[in-house]
Amino acid sequence: NAGVTQTPKFRVLKTGQSMTLLCAQDMNHEYMYWYRQDPGMGLRLIHYSVGEGTTAKGEVPDGYNVSRLKKQNFLLGLESAAPSQTSVYFCASNPTSGRWRNEQFFGPGTRLTVL
Amino acid sequence: AQSVSQHNHHVILSEAASLELGCNYSYGGTVNLFWYVQYPGQHLQLLLKYFSGDPLVKGIKGFEAEFIKSKFSFNLRKPSVQWSDTAEYFCAVNLPSGAGSYQLTFGKGTKLSVIP
Repeated sequence: NAGVTQTPKFRVLKTGQSMTLLCAQDMNHEYMYWYRQDPGMGLRLIHYSVGEGTTAKGEVPDGYNVSRLKKQNFLLGLESAAPSQTSVYFCASNPTSGRWRNEQFFGPGTRLTVL
Repeated sequence: AQSVSQHNHHVILSEAASLELGCNYSYGGTVNLFWYVQYPGQHLQLLLKYFSGDPLVKGIKGFEAEFIKSKFSFNLRKPSVQWSDTAEYFCAVNLPSGAGSYQLTFGKGTKLSVIP
């Protein structure tokens, strides 16, 4: 299993540009999450999904949109990037049953810089 | 609002010293508790977790944590640190977010620097 993968690993954007970050997991997990990590702030939840076709807002959703059209993929979109969105973005997923229930597995992260 | 607090922002230790990192949360109900580690430039990896049962939990790489319900604490310990333990450590707690669902809430992290 590849686990949780994220594309791209690095990206530099100019203010106002748009982009989509892709998260994919091959563990058949129901729940998926997008977090951002900023120095001294820990990880903050942006959006999450409890299943295919469903999404919900987390702690810091403004300026982001998400979609979960397939169970294995969770997309994070920035429609008009701002410098405040410079961060490291982590995707995570977890199953809801079995030995690993409620344990989140993290992807390698995407480092985004907005100039 | 429910929250997770990590008391130390940066801890500096010499090799072989003992480690204890504090974590407190503010919620009176049943919780799931986690410690994650992030080595420089890498993603988060699970060190250990507590769901129920024995409040003393042993994890990977010689780490352990004790859940003390009366103190709302889940402190991470290691008797003898190594240079390779240099990393950032995050405590996380599954807290209710409304409408019957739970979200993993992270502390702000503690950077550990181990000096050879």
